[in-house]
Amino acid sequence: NAGVTQTPKFQVLKTGQSMTLQCAQDMNHEYMSWYRQDPGMGLRLIHYSVGAGITDQGEVPNGYNVSRSTTEDFPLRLLSAAPSQTSVYFCASSYIGMGVTGNTIYFGEGSWLTVV
Amino acid sequence: RKEVEQDPGPFNVPEGATVAFNCTYSNSASQSFFWYRQDCRKEPKLLMSVYSSGNEDGRFTAQLNRASQYISLLIRDSKLSDSATYLCVVNLRRSGNKLVFGAGTILRVKS
Repeated sequence: NAGVTQTPKFQVLKTGQSMTLQCAQDMNHEYMSWYRQDPGMGLRLIHYSVGAGITDQGEVPNGYNVSRSTTEDFPLRLLSAAPSQTSVYFCASSYIGMGVTGNTIYFGEGSWLTVV
Repeated sequence: RKEVEQDPGPFNVPEGATVAFNCTYSNSASQSFFWYRQDCRKEPKLLMSVYSSGNEDGRFTAQLNRASQYISLLIRDSKLSDSATYLCVVNLRRSGNKLVFGAGTILRVKS
C-alpha cells in the first residue's frame, strides 16, 4: 500500500533557486495539505486543499505555491528559496470526516530541505 | 500563548515505568483531539484519538478534560520501543480539518 508518497526525500538548494516537492496519495482522499516542521515547534500548515481545483492558505504560506489539478497530486513549489525555508516538509492527506474518527491524517515520509 | 502547549521533555524513564504527558489547548471551541507518535526522522502517525469519556488502547490511556482544557496520555509498562516524540493535536473544526499541532514531548525509555 503506497499511501502518501512524497519526493524528494533530501534536497539542497541555493538561495534563489526554485523547486517542487511532489506529493501523491492513492487513498482517494479529498483533503491534502503541506506542513513544515522546525525544531521546537509543532507542525505548521503551509497550504491545504479540500478537493481538485481548490486550494487555500494555511498558517505560513509565504514563499510557497500549490495546485491541485487531480485528487491524487498536490505539489508544493518553492518560488525563490531562502535559508528560512530550511525545514522538514510533510505532505498529508485525509478524508473530510466528521468528529473524532473521521479525521485521521496520513503523512508522507517527509522531505528534508536545506537552503544554503 | 501557543494554541497547543506540551512539555518538551525529555522524559527519561526505565522500562516498565508508568509515564504521563499533559497537553493544554487554548481554544475552547476545539472539537476533537488526538495523540500522534513521531519516531526520529520519520513522519507522525496516529497513536489514538481522544474521546470525551476517555479511552484506552492496551497500555495507552487518553483522557480529555474540557473544563480545564487539557488532554493527557498515560503509558503503562513502558517498552524501549515506546521511545519517540508524542504530538498532541487539536482539531478546531467539527467537519474537515483545522489541525493545530503541539511541538511534542520526547520520551526515552531506558533498559
